[in-house]
Amino acid sequence: KQEVTQIPAALSVPEGENLVLNCSFTDSAIYNLQWFRQDPGKGLTSLLLIQSSQREQTSGRLNASLDKSSGRSTLYIAASQPGDSATYLCAVGGYGGATNKLIFGTGTLLAVQP
Amino acid sequence: DVKVTQSSRYLVKRTGEKVFLECVQDMDHENMFWYRQDPGLGLRLIYFSYDVKMKEKGDIPEGYSVSREKKERFSLILESASTNQTSMYLCASSFQVVRPQHFGDGTRLSIL
Repeated sequence: KQEVTQIPAALSVPEGENLVLNCSFTDSAIYNLQWFRQDPGKGLTSLLLIQSSQREQTSGRLNASLDKSSGRSTLYIAASQPGDSATYLCAVGGYGGATNKLIFGTGTLLAVQP
Repeated sequence: DVKVTQSSRYLVKRTGEKVFLECVQDMDHENMFWYRQDPGLGLRLIYFSYDVKMKEKGDIPEGYSVSREKKERFSLILESASTNQTSMYLCASSFQVVRPQHFGDGTRLSIL
């Protein structure tokens, strides 16, 4: 059964710092991997989607990488800002051959201090 | 931009009531999903639908049913609400399996 783990569970950094969030999964037979952001009491905002054939995706200050063979993905945030404070979730798609389904990690709570 | 709208942000119901949660998307997406989110357990898939009138169970379908009579609308039904169904419910949609899922703002449901 696919399991998705995110470490650390919480992270606090000063503004301007570059940071890396980690996501690991146990079954490498995934279809894609998606990173989301969730603000308190709100829904999820899709940040980046990496297909299984890709190694990385970039959007602005965000860069996500995927290493299927080792079961890992990282989300790199450059020059962090207080507005980046949120919970970041990764989710893998395609476990069990059902490409429609996502399995989520429990998230990393990020606080960027001004 | 994709818009996924959930009918209520907060809802309070009583044990045993039949509860309807509504979700509407405006991008002609084939796929729609219902999740619940609980502290320490993360998001878990309840049901999803890949076409009108088509549905498939997720990981935790017990106590729930769904309805998709029109492409843009996906309803989650709690047949007889129980206190353990108190949770944050999130609806999502996607165009194809290779495209991102887009989420609504969620409904925080309390069953008393």
